[in-house]
This record gives sequence, structure tokens and C-alpha cells, in this order.
Amino acid sequence: DSGVTQTPKHLITATGQRVTLRCSPRSGDLSVYWYQQSLDQGLQFLIQYYNGEERAKGNILERFSAQQFPDLHSELNLSSLELGDSALYFCASSAALGIYYEQYFGPGTRLTVT
Amino acid sequence: EDQVTQSPEALRLQEGESSSLNCSYTVSGLRGLFWYRQDPGKGPEFLFTLYSAGEEKEKERLKATLTKKESFLHITAPKPEDSATYLCAVQPLGVSGSARQLTFGSGTQLTVLP
Repeated sequence: DSGVTQTPKHLITATGQRVTLRCSPRSGDLSVYWYQQSLDQGLQFLIQYYNGEERAKGNILERFSAQQFPDLHSELNLSSLELGDSALYFCASSAALGIYYEQYFGPGTRLTVT
Repeated sequence: EDQVTQSPEALRLQEGESSSLNCSYTVSGLRGLFWYRQDPGKGPEFLFTLYSAGEEKEKERLKATLTKKESFLHITAPKPEDSATYLCAVQPLGVSGSARQLTFGSGTQLTVLP
């Protein structure tokens, strides 16, 4: 158990809908990362937050957005869903900035868009 | 653009048959190279971080090494429970400030037969 929690574990929804994925980082970790894993694209970085502020952005679609709240949990919002958005979505967290910054991953949310 | 290539894509070993997995990378300066293990449907599990060429780290039957262009994950006398996908990721020096995203390779799927 990495200490990172994600809810829900599974999500099935229809095209055009909007969903919210939730992540709670390890105790004491200030950085939260979101990754998408699909069969054809592998594990792709989406976005990073550090202590409530956006710090890095990857190939995140405009239909997707995220935020980190004062209690450090994070939410990833996916809207106008398409079939191609079906994937595993992982959240990871790491400690405050420094030389040792391993990212610890949560169990993921499996999103199926029908 | 940062690139990570892992080989082979899949590897089948007999129990006790040692082998190595390769991760070659192209980055604009390397801050760190990471190895993760991922079981089907689960989140990646952190194994090692390597920071500089010549560095080596060990954990049970696994040993990771790093050169200026590639990393190897050596598996000595593997057991069936070592079966998993092994992912390599890099974090470049080029990212600014507190950005800490990882670029992942596509992984090596290891199967250890009893």
C-alpha cells in the first residue's frame, strides 16, 4: 500500500458526460501528479500540482482540468467524454521539493466510456 | 524531446534463469531515472531511483544500474512472483522550478515460469 488513495476504483459512463476523479496523497506529501494509462499510449503525464498551485502540464486535453485543495487532496475533472478517454487514471504524490522525490502511485481509477 | 525506450517488450524466463531488462533514454540532462513494477490493473510500485552514471542499487533479486545513455534492471534467479511489467521513467533537468513530471517507457512484460 503506497498510502495514496483514489476514488472511485471503477467508473462507467456515457459519451458526452462529465466525471470527477479524486485523489488523496500520502500524508505529508505536497505534490500531486495525474497520469493516464491506455493500451496504445502507455503511461502519460497529465498535470502536477504543488501545494495548491499548478506546476507542470503535460499532454492534457482542454476538456480535462484539475485542482488541488487546501487539504492537499486533488480532483481531476473530465468533461465531454469520448470513447478514447477510456483508460486507467493514476494519481501519484511526492514529498516536498528536494533531491529525493520518488513518486508513489495510487491504485488508479478505471474509466470506461460507452 | 525526451524519449525512453525499453527492451525487450516481453520476456519469458524459467524460474532461476537470470536476465536483464534495458532502458535507453534521451533527455536534456538527467535529474533522475526511476524503475517501477506494475501488476495488471494496479498502480506502479516504486523500486529504485538512480541519479548519476555508475550508480547501482539492489533490492532482493533486483539490481539497477545506470550509464549516461541507459539503465539495466538485472534479475537474478527470478521467481514466478517477479512476473510483472517493469517500467522505466526519466525526469529531466530541463524542467523548470518545481516541475517534476516523469516520462515513462512502454515497459517490459516479464513472465517467470515455474
